[in-house]
Amino acid sequence: GAVVSQHPSRVICKSGTSVKIECRSLDFQATTMFWYRQFPKQSLMLMATSNEGSKATYEQGVEKDKFLINHASLTLSTLTVTSAHPEDSSFYICSATGTSGAPGTQYFGPGTRLTVL
Amino acid sequence: GNSVTQMEGPVTLSEEAFLTINCTYTATGYPSLFWYVQYPGEGLQLLLKATKADDKGSNKGFEATYRKETTSFHLEKGSVQVSDSAVYFCALSDRGTGNQFYFGTGTSLTVIP
Repeated sequence: GAVVSQHPSRVICKSGTSVKIECRSLDFQATTMFWYRQFPKQSLMLMATSNEGSKATYEQGVEKDKFLINHASLTLSTLTVTSAHPEDSSFYICSATGTSGAPGTQYFGPGTRLTVL
Repeated sequence: GNSVTQMEGPVTLSEEAFLTINCTYTATGYPSLFWYVQYPGEGLQLLLKATKADDKGSNKGFEATYRKETTSFHLEKGSVQVSDSAVYFCALSDRGTGNQFYFGTGTSLTVIP
């Protein structure tokens, strides 16, 4: 149980285009989902926290207009990188907490590697 | 505030060697502590956790004990295998901050045959 999937696993896009990444909880209801960014050989940086049906809470320094997060249902959250630029290239990882496992435990998706040319 | 300090790597060990990866934390409340493992090109997988002082988390031969007196949660394994090669992250979750996670910087482990 407690499986989180991400789609796509890898995406390459041209500079200026927008990219949408999906995060799904497959076997539990995710009341809260988190989006992280990971740079090579570094730890995870929390970008935002989203609760189902409400606006996401962004961490300081993260542009909410650039990284649009939608958590429309208890099993799906999306991250849209708008007008992507090469500096947005990174590994994006989502996680979820909810009705599965111990309270507060986050279950992570496999990540999405974004490359902006 | 909350933070996690983790032993810097990279760590290279021979197969069957003993592993210790140090992790210490600071927290304002009563955190839960976690170790996550990240294999190359993949996301993070929960390895083990402990939710209160003196708890021991264990999984796949790894174990870590929540030591409140030393604010530590060191990861150990008695005999590592090549398949244990990965990056290991120590993390804490504090109910006082809405279960937000705080990660260490990660320790890369390479086990050679």
